Amino acid sequence: NAGVTQTPKFRILKIGQSMTLQCTQDMNHNYMYWYRQDPGMGLKLIYYSVGAGITDKGEVPNGYNVSRSTTEDFPLRLELAAPSQTSVYFCASSYGAGVYEQYFGPGTRLTVT
Amino acid sequence: AQSVSQHNHHVILSEAASLELGCNYSYGGTVNLFWYVQYPGQHLQLLLKYFSGDPLVKGIKGFEAEFIKSKFSFNLRKPSVQWSDTAEYFCAALSGSARQLTFGSGTQLTVLP
Repeated sequence: NAGVTQTPKFRILKIGQSMTLQCTQDMNHNYMYWYRQDPGMGLKLIYYSVGAGITDKGEVPNGYNVSRSTTEDFPLRLELAAPSQTSVYFCASSYGAGVYEQYFGPGTRLTVT
Repeated sequence: AQSVSQHNHHVILSEAASLELGCNYSYGGTVNLFWYVQYPGQHLQLLLKYFSGDPLVKGIKGFEAEFIKSKFSFNLRKPSVQWSDTAEYFCAALSGSARQLTFGSGTQLTVLP
């Protein structure tokens, strides 16, 4: 049981490039989340999903897209990368909303130059 | 909108000292509260959570937190810290029917041997 896995661990992008951050969970959780963590700012929710085929915006969705074609996978797409997207990205999953614990992946450190 | 404040950005303690990390939330209705911890190089993981009932909540590794509704606070405590408690600590809140956790900005705890 690997939990939540993310790839890649590190990536450097040039301004205007695009990439997909991968996230997979093997706990059969319905809910999945993408957060970004900036220094001194805590975690901000980018997008979340309550099940396959259903996604919704979080607090900071601009510049990102997501899809949820399966229960296990929740990729995050960056189109036209900008320096403001330099951050550490965390994927998480939970069985349900609210009181259920969120399980986090190891994170992806992205630098846009 | 819900907000969570952690006023201590960096705390440095010697081993065996007592710890209290502050957390205040803004929502006045029903709220669920969490403390997550991120050890160096590891995933965020749940330390403890409060949903209802006894306002003194005990978590893993000797940590506890007290929910004080009148003060909108959920401070984390440990009577005697160890070097291995060096980590970043995040307070988070979930209000009412919201599906989204709101995280504080985090407190970096450094315990000197």
